[in-house]
Amino acid sequence: GQSLEQPSEVTAVEGAIVQINCTYQTSGFYGLSWYQQHDGGAPTFLSYNALDGLEETGRFSSFLSRSDSYGYLLLQELQMKDSASYFCALSGGFKTIFGAGTRLFVKA
Amino acid sequence: DSGVTQTPKHLITATGQRVTLRCSPRSGDLSVYWYQQSLDQGLQFLIHYYNGEERAKGNILERFSAQQFPDLHSELNLSSLELGDSALYFCASSVGGGNGYTFGSGTRLTVV
Repeated sequence: GQSLEQPSEVTAVEGAIVQINCTYQTSGFYGLSWYQQHDGGAPTFLSYNALDGLEETGRFSSFLSRSDSYGYLLLQELQMKDSASYFCALSGGFKTIFGAGTRLFVKA
Repeated sequence: DSGVTQTPKHLITATGQRVTLRCSPRSGDLSVYWYQQSLDQGLQFLIHYYNGEERAKGNILERFSAQQFPDLHSELNLSSLELGDSALYFCASSVGGGNGYTFGSGTRLTVV
C-alpha cells in the first residue's frame, strides 16, 4: 500500500520561509504533488514532481528525492493568505493518495 | 470557478436514507475522482472513472457506488446512510494521469 507522513502543524512569521516535509512509503508511483486548501474551500493544485529535484513556481518550490522517499514544499516570503492546510499526495495506479495535511499558521 | 461543478453544495438527510451527489468535470477532462473528507481529516480516495470506465477503487464502502455517464458527468450514490458518513465529498477531474487535479467546491453532507 501507500502511506504519507507530514507534520500536523507548522507556524511561521509573515515574510519568512517555511518548509513542509513529506515522507512516504510506496511500492511504486509516478510523482509527488502538493495541494493547498483554505478552510471551507476546495484543494487547489500547487506543484508536481515526477523527477528528483526542485521545481519552482513563484514563491513556492517543491522537492523530491525518490532514494530517500522524501519530499518537501518550500514557501518563501510568507503572506497571511498562505495560512491554510497543505497536502502532499502520491500519484500512481490511476489514483492519487493524499497525506493527512499540514496546517500552516502564518503570524504577523 | 475551477470548472468542476458539484451539486448540491449542502445536503442534510436522515440516517438510513439514500442520496446522489453529482459532478460535472472541467471541459476536456476525461477522468473523474471522488474523495471524502471528514472533519479536520485528509482526503480519502473513493473511486476513479476514466471516460465512463472504472479505473481504480479506494476504501469505498459497499453502501457507496458511482458511475460516469457518456457526457462524462459522474454521480456518487450513498445509501443506508450513517452518522459517520457526514463529510465533505469532493469531485476532481483531470485530462488523465495523476498530476494536477482540479477539484470542485464539494458537497457537504450532514446525516442526522
